[in-house]
Amino acid sequence: GDSVTQMEGPVTLSEEAFLTINCTYTATGYPSLFWYVQYPGEGLQLLLKATKADDKGSNKGFEATYRKETTSFHLEKGSVQVSDSAVYFCALSEYAGNNRKLIWGLGTSLAVNP
Amino acid sequence: EAQVTQNPRYLITVTGKKLTVTCSQNMNHEYMSWYRQDPGLGLRQIYYSMNVEVTDKGDVPEGYKVSRKEKRNFPLILESPSPNQTSLYFCASSSRKIQGIPEAFFGQGTRLTVV
Repeated sequence: GDSVTQMEGPVTLSEEAFLTINCTYTATGYPSLFWYVQYPGEGLQLLLKATKADDKGSNKGFEATYRKETTSFHLEKGSVQVSDSAVYFCALSEYAGNNRKLIWGLGTSLAVNP
Repeated sequence: EAQVTQNPRYLITVTGKKLTVTCSQNMNHEYMSWYRQDPGLGLRQIYYSMNVEVTDKGDVPEGYKVSRKEKRNFPLILESPSPNQTSLYFCASSSRKIQGIPEAFFGQGTRLTVV
C-alpha cells in the first residue's frame, strides 16, 4: 500500500537557521501531498499542500515542492523562529473505494532555540 | 470560527468501563474520521463516515464503535476499553468535494489512558 517516510527527529536548530525536513512517499496513483503541523498541546493543522507534480505549496514562510521523479515533498524554511517549534507530519491522500484516507509519516519534532 | 471539537481532552479510565469520546464539527462537512496516534506508529485511521448513517472501518477498528446520527457529530465508543487502547485520539472532518482535495480539519485530540 501507499506509505510516507520522513526523517527522524528531533531536529534542533538555532533561530534564523535554514530548515529542511525530508519526506518521500510510495504510491500507486497520483496522490495529493500535505504537511501538517502539531504545536504543543494542540491538534493538527494543515500547513501546506500540493495536488500535482511540480506544484509548490507555501505558507508562513514554509515551502514544499511535489517532485514526482524523486517521489519527494521536502519541507523547507529559510529562517526558522522559536515559534516554529512543533512536530511536523508529512501525509498523502489516498482513495480506497469511498474512503478518503490520509497516510501519515511518523512526524519530525523541531525545536528552535533563541 | 470553523472548528472540530473533541471532548474530553484528557481521560483516565479503568479496563472494561465503557466510554464515549465526542466529536462535533460546525462546517457542515460530510466526511468525518477518527485516528489514533501512537509513538513509532504514527496516525492510523480507526473509522470513517461518508455521511449521516454511513460509517465504515478504517485500518484499526477492533475494540471501537462509531455512530453518525447527525451530520455534525461523530462519537467514538469504546465498549470495553483495554490498556492497548491507551493512545492519543484525533477526530477529523472534511468536505466531500468532487474536484480538488479538501483540507482535513482536526480536533485538539483526546489523550486516553486505560489502566
